[in-house]
Amino acid sequence: DAKTTQPNSMESNEEEPVHLPCNHSTISGTDYIHWYRQLPSQGPEYVIHGLTSNVNNRMASLAIAEDRKSSTLILHRATLRDAAVYYCILRDTSNTGKLIFGQGTTLQVKP
Amino acid sequence: NAGVTQTPKFRILKIGQSMTLQCAQDMNHNYMYWYRQDPGMGLKLIYYSVGAGITDKGEVPNGYNVSRSTTEDFPLRLELAAPSQTSVYFCASSHGGGPGYTFGSGTRLTVV
Repeated sequence: DAKTTQPNSMESNEEEPVHLPCNHSTISGTDYIHWYRQLPSQGPEYVIHGLTSNVNNRMASLAIAEDRKSSTLILHRATLRDAAVYYCILRDTSNTGKLIFGQGTTLQVKP
Repeated sequence: NAGVTQTPKFRILKIGQSMTLQCAQDMNHNYMYWYRQDPGMGLKLIYYSVGAGITDKGEVPNGYNVSRSTTEDFPLRLELAAPSQTSVYFCASSHGGGPGYTFGSGTRLTVV
């Protein structure tokens, strides 16, 4: 399984944008980039995913580099409820759809 | 919608005891997964299933067993509990292995 590299932790101020980076230099052509987040004492929740083009949904935006070796999750206006561990995951391309989690980035949001 | 329901939420086991962690989903998802999360770490895949009657090992299957007799249920069995199995266990499901896994709220297990 292709691996991802994320910073261990990041800080942000409330109501400011947050850019969470992820490197995945060994990504294959058919790997989708997935982002999940885990709020304290909860199970992970899906945030967004993409293949090549930038993606937007109600939670966040995903910017994918042209060579696909890196991506950035963008939270447009961080709130205190966005404090969580954010996981960047390359989805297993076999038919099992397995998600292999790394360490993730712990995001702290300051009021 | 209930989504993915895990029971119990908390459990303390003595070394050598056995137990079954229950997981049920009501979304008619064919894919189901069991993960464990040790303190301060990411999730590790224990077992997964792509449909009723089909299961396979993940990254850390030793000490666990699963079965999938129905689409809805995917129980995880711990035989001869060990302190190393102290962890939070998460069950998840997805449709066709696609994006947007739904996770349960977890079972916190302590083995003493």
